[in-house]
Amino acid sequence: DTAVSQTPKYLVTQMGNDKSIKCEQNLGHDTMYWYKQDSKKFLKIMFSYNNKELIINETVPNRFSPKSPDKAHLNLHINSLELGDSAVYFCASSQGGGSAFFGQGTRLTVV
Amino acid sequence: GIQVEQSPPDLILQEGANSTLRCNFSDSVNNLQWFHQNPWGQLINLFYIPSGTKQNGRLSATTVATERYSLLYISSSQTTDSGVYFCAPGGATGTASKLTFGTGTRLQVTL
Repeated sequence: DTAVSQTPKYLVTQMGNDKSIKCEQNLGHDTMYWYKQDSKKFLKIMFSYNNKELIINETVPNRFSPKSPDKAHLNLHINSLELGDSAVYFCASSQGGGSAFFGQGTRLTVV
Repeated sequence: GIQVEQSPPDLILQEGANSTLRCNFSDSVNNLQWFHQNPWGQLINLFYIPSGTKQNGRLSATTVATERYSLLYISSSQTTDSGVYFCAPGGATGTASKLTFGTGTRLQVTL
C-alpha cells in the first residue's frame, strides 16, 4: 500500500483552465503539506494543514486553494492556470512536526 | 528565512567509494531532515536528525545544531545511491514542520 498517494501523476492542461490534484495518506498522520518543485529542482513549501486546519500558508497566489476534507486528505485546486505554474507538486504528511513522507509527485505542464 | 547551503553541488563516485555531503544553515532549527530524490523523482526520507548521530545501513548522518551544520555519510556507494540529496532544516511545532530545502547535492555513482 502506498503511504502517500497523489493523483494524477501527470497533468497537461491549457492556460486558463482550472485543475485539481488529490492527495491521500494512510499513515494516520495529522499533518499534511503541499510543496512545489520547480524546473531547477528547488523545493518550496506552499501549505500545511493539521487536522483540517490551515497551519502554514506561504506566499502563494490566491489562485491556489488547498482543501482538507479530513486529516487523511489534502487536495490542491488551481484556478486560471498560467505557464509559470508548470512544476512538480508534492504532497507530504507527518505526525506533528516529525518526519515528513512524500508522495510520488504530480508533474503539471501548462501549455 | 533560513538560508541553506549544500556542498558539493555535484559529485561523481565510483561504486564502492565513500562520501560526505555537507549542509550548512543560517539559523537555529529544531528540525532537520535528509531526503534522497531518486532518478524517478521520488523523495525518500533518509533521516530525521535535528541533533546527534544516526545510522541506517550504509548511511549515517550527524547534525551539530550549535554549529549549524549537518553531514550525510554514504559508505560503499552503489549505483542505486544515484540521485539528488536534499538537506531540509526548519522549525517545528507540535502541529507541523516548516522545512526549507537546500539546492541539493547531485550524486552519480558509476560502475
